[in-house]
Amino acid sequence: ETGVTQSPTHLIKTRGQQVTLRCSSQSGHNTVSWYQQALGQGPQFIFQYYREEENGRGNFPPRFSGLQFPNYSSELNVNALELDDSALYLCASSLPTKNTGELFFGEGSRLTVL
Amino acid sequence: AQSVTQLGSHVSVSEGALVLLRCNYSSSVPPYLFWYVQYPNQGLQLLLKYTTGATLVKGINGFEAEFKKSETSFHLTKPSAHMSDAAEYFCAVSGHNNDMRFGAGTRLTVKP
Repeated sequence: ETGVTQSPTHLIKTRGQQVTLRCSSQSGHNTVSWYQQALGQGPQFIFQYYREEENGRGNFPPRFSGLQFPNYSSELNVNALELDDSALYLCASSLPTKNTGELFFGEGSRLTVL
Repeated sequence: AQSVTQLGSHVSVSEGALVLLRCNYSSSVPPYLFWYVQYPNQGLQLLLKYTTGATLVKGINGFEAEFKKSETSFHLTKPSAHMSDAAEYFCAVSGHNNDMRFGAGTRLTVKP
């Protein structure tokens, strides 16, 4: 069974740039969620994708966008990067069991914005 | 709206001592509650969850938690701490928006 994998593991960008983070979900999981974890804080929900459609969104501006592909992998795109976007971005896959299911997390992509 | 509050950002115990990590929740509907653990430079891993049924929930690595509706609490315990338990622990509640709402986390340190 293949777990959740994310790439890249670390990256450095400058303000105003754009970034794309990638996630491969665990085998058999068709739902992918993205979370932002700032230093010293708990993860904050960005959005969820199910069957290639956005299926829920947290309190993040539109410059945070995503995609899900037919193989259930996903991308998180962030435009016009700001210093406060520096964080660990976590991808989690799951089965669509209405929040009673377990989230399987990847190890994250650590983004630093200078 | 659903939310959780973790009491104590840092907890330090001696090896072999009781571990108690506190979590209180707020929810307008019967909550689904979770505890996750995060080891350094890793993602989060589910320790245990409460959805319905028995209020005492057993998880992995000897951890357990009790759902107490009257106290709106879901504290995490382990009778005897091990050095390998040192990590960040997050309490979470399921939201309305297909999301999981996490607390700020409690860092557990285990002293030899």
